Amino acid sequence: NAGVTQTPKFQVLKTGQSMTLQCAQDMNHNSMYWYRQDPGMGLRLIYYSASEGTTDKGEVPNGYNVSRLNKREFSLRLESAAPSQTSVYFCASRLQDRGLYEQYFGPGTRLTVT
Amino acid sequence: AQKVTQAQTEISVVEKEDVTLDCVYETRDTTYYLFWYKQPPSGELVFLIRRNSFDEQNEISGRYSWNFQKSTSSFNFTITASQVVDSAVYFCALSEAGSGYSTLTFGKGTMLLVSP
Repeated sequence: NAGVTQTPKFQVLKTGQSMTLQCAQDMNHNSMYWYRQDPGMGLRLIYYSASEGTTDKGEVPNGYNVSRLNKREFSLRLESAAPSQTSVYFCASRLQDRGLYEQYFGPGTRLTVT
Repeated sequence: AQKVTQAQTEISVVEKEDVTLDCVYETRDTTYYLFWYKQPPSGELVFLIRRNSFDEQNEISGRYSWNFQKSTSSFNFTITASQVVDSAVYFCALSEAGSGYSTLTFGKGTMLLVSP
């Protein structure tokens, strides 16, 4: 099992450009998440999908959109990148059954917006 | 107000010292889960432990131990005889019944530096 995979691993964008971060999991998890990590800020939730067909905003959703393509895949789109979106982005998945299970994280995508 | 507070931003110790990382949480729910994750310099996030609100027994796993105290809303993590490989950022997180357990709220993390 590959677990949670993310592509790309690194990306440099210019202000105003768009891009999509891809995430896939092969653990048959029903919940998926996108976080951003900035120095001194911990991990902040951008969007999540509790189950296939649903998405919800997290703590910092502005400037992002998501798509739960199927049970395995959950993508994050930046429509018009801004320097404030320079960050490390983590995707995670979880078998949602009350609170019993932990989240598994992908390796992260380091995004720089110039 | 932060739901999960890790007041120690950075801790430096010398190898073989014991170190405790503090985590204080805030919730109105009676049922919740607490987690610790480790992020080594390589960047990945590694799950360490999960604890539910009804189980206040301390847990020990090798050099790692966790002390959960509902009375003080704390879930502290102790590394005994620290090693250089323990150098990492450690995150505490909370999952609440009120949110359907659907999300985790993370603290800002504590960076642990263990020098030889």
